[in-house]
Amino acid sequence: SHELTQPPSVSVSPGQAARITCSGDAFPRKFAYWYQQKSGQAPVLVIYQDNKRPSGIPERFSGSSSGTMATLTISGAQVDDEADYYCYSTDTSGNRGVFGGGTKLTVL
Amino acid sequence: QVQLVESGGGVVQPGRSLRLSCAASGFMFSSYGMHWVRQAPGKGLEWVAVIWYDGSNEYYTDSVKGRFTISRDNSKDTLYLQVNSLRAEDTAVYYCARLNGEGSFDIWGQGTMVTVSS
Repeated sequence: SHELTQPPSVSVSPGQAARITCSGDAFPRKFAYWYQQKSGQAPVLVIYQDNKRPSGIPERFSGSSSGTMATLTISGAQVDDEADYYCYSTDTSGNRGVFGGGTKLTVL
Repeated sequence: QVQLVESGGGVVQPGRSLRLSCAASGFMFSSYGMHWVRQAPGKGLEWVAVIWYDGSNEYYTDSVKGRFTISRDNSKDTLYLQVNSLRAEDTAVYYCARLNGEGSFDIWGQGTMVTVSS
């Protein structure tokens, strides 16, 4: 089965770059997607197909993928970016989804 | 506006069943694959199941296979999740989500809580 591994937590100071990694054997054959979830809210898509940013998502959010690792980068992280971040992809068949374990981003 | 609204959650004893619903509005429901995602209290997101836009295929995560059934009624713009033989570890908020053409979950419901407890 396809598993995605993320660090449990990342901490940065305001204005610093935050990088959250996601490793998985199905990369790069399958795309990575990134979701932001703030406390008590439904997730919100912040990056799709490895490196595309949906309309309305600030430019400081970017994504990249190399080999078996995808990375979400928040350039100049802000306090408002504090949230849990989840990577998502599918298994090699493309039929079943899988989320990473999530990374808690602290900005202080 | 485009939205998904879940319902049907509640407190249920182990071994019992529930049917969760997800009502879609503001878009052509019959054109989209739909997924269920759950989140246990204090835990991460877990993908549960998918059904294709026309209901022709469905897939499940291993832990719910044989107990959960995803279905849809495109005439009613509604997605369902029949959850049987519930276990304590099924306790979670259950979200429905729309899959767009780029493979993203672009619309999420607000979630419905299922608590399995004796």
